Amino acid sequence: GQNIDQPTEMTATEGAIVQINCTYQTSGFNGLFWYQQHAGEAPTFLSYNVLDGLEEKGRFSSFLSRSKGYSYLLLKELQMKDSASYLCAVSPGGGNKLTFGTGTQLKVEL
Amino acid sequence: GAGVSQSPSNKVTEKGKDVELRCDPISGHTALYWYRQSLGQGLEFLIYFQGNSAPDKSGLPSDRFSAERTGGSVSTLTIQRTQQEDSAVYLCASSLGAESHNEQFFGPGTRLTVL
Repeated sequence: GQNIDQPTEMTATEGAIVQINCTYQTSGFNGLFWYQQHAGEAPTFLSYNVLDGLEEKGRFSSFLSRSKGYSYLLLKELQMKDSASYLCAVSPGGGNKLTFGTGTQLKVEL
Repeated sequence: GAGVSQSPSNKVTEKGKDVELRCDPISGHTALYWYRQSLGQGLEFLIYFQGNSAPDKSGLPSDRFSAERTGGSVSTLTIQRTQQEDSAVYLCASSLGAESHNEQFFGPGTRLTVL
């Protein structure tokens, strides 16, 4: 079966750093995606990891450990507009259909 | 350029009626995916197309659900004899190909409410 776990909610302060964790157990693994979804809007792509290590892209970084079935998304210099749901998704293979976690609702406060 | 578009944006229907949801992918994208997002649930895979073929329909919840894609472009998801549990946001995504590294671009979704 497929199982992806991430915290339901997190709160952080503007200007701070927040780390959103994701653990997964899937029958196959061809990569892990992070998406951002603002309320009522389409998910938008943030990052893709297929090899172990850290991928940095501006204020956002994503880390993957395949042996541990673990990833995190790191958001630096938080802004109010970063308040959104962050979705962790795994491509188990075979056509790249994605298996999603339930998402982490991040609230950025002053 | 134009992104993925979906219509209608909202659909309210009565239990037992049929509905059709439309997805226009990004031009040139050969892979197209349908997902469903229910309240408090993660996105749930329904079906994907490579060109006009659907190699994986494993996520369709019942035989009331069907989808087709024509001309390697527009796709329609049809739900027959709708039930209240079908109420959800139906999201379509497209990508350049079905290889794992390809980013999926999502449309804004169709919010379906079955009364």
